Amino acid sequence: GEDVEQSLFLSVREGDSSVINCTYTDSSSTYLYWYKQEPGAGLQLLTYIFSNMDMKQDQRLTVLLNKKDKHLSLRIADTQTGDSAIYFCAESIMGTGGGNKLTFGTGTQLKVEL
Amino acid sequence: DGGITQSPKYLFRKEGQNVTLSCEQNLNHDAMYWYRQDPGQGLRLIYYSQIVNDFQKGDIAEGYSVSREKKESFPLTVTSAQKNPTAFYLCASLRTVSGNTIYFGEGSWLTVV
Repeated sequence: GEDVEQSLFLSVREGDSSVINCTYTDSSSTYLYWYKQEPGAGLQLLTYIFSNMDMKQDQRLTVLLNKKDKHLSLRIADTQTGDSAIYFCAESIMGTGGGNKLTFGTGTQLKVEL
Repeated sequence: DGGITQSPKYLFRKEGQNVTLSCEQNLNHDAMYWYRQDPGQGLRLIYYSQIVNDFQKGDIAEGYSVSREKKESFPLTVTSAQKNPTAFYLCASLRTVSGNTIYFGEGSWLTVV
């Protein structure tokens, strides 16, 4: 079965880099995602990576994928107070009934301190 | 504007009542999803639908029902059989062009009183 795990909390100082980690168990993942959730709101897609890629960079965001270790990370450069939120990783796999099934991790609460 | 609309934003239900949460999308996406989020926890998949008139159970389908009569609409009914329905419910749809990307609505808060 599929399982996605993340650490619950991360605290960084403004201007530092943040690295949020995620591990998953299903090796048949096709896409892996990072989402951001602010209090009381839905999820906002930050970035995603296809499973045959090792790295993807998008402005301040860098995604690293180690498929052998089933490890995904999100690095946020020059972290700002507006980056404080919950970050979810997710994997997309083919569901048993067909179609794309997305499984989410428990989320990492990022707190940015001045 | 294109997007996913969930309603109502806040809903209170008495114990023993069924309630239906609405989810509408005008993105022309085939697949739609319902997730439940409990405070301090991740998202758990309730039901998903790849095409009209077809849907599959997710990881926590018990006590819930869905229908998919139109491509744009995927309502979720929280039945009285759901033992602990108080939660934040998120609807989503999936774009499969240029990668599989899921888009979320703003969510619905359901409280049982």
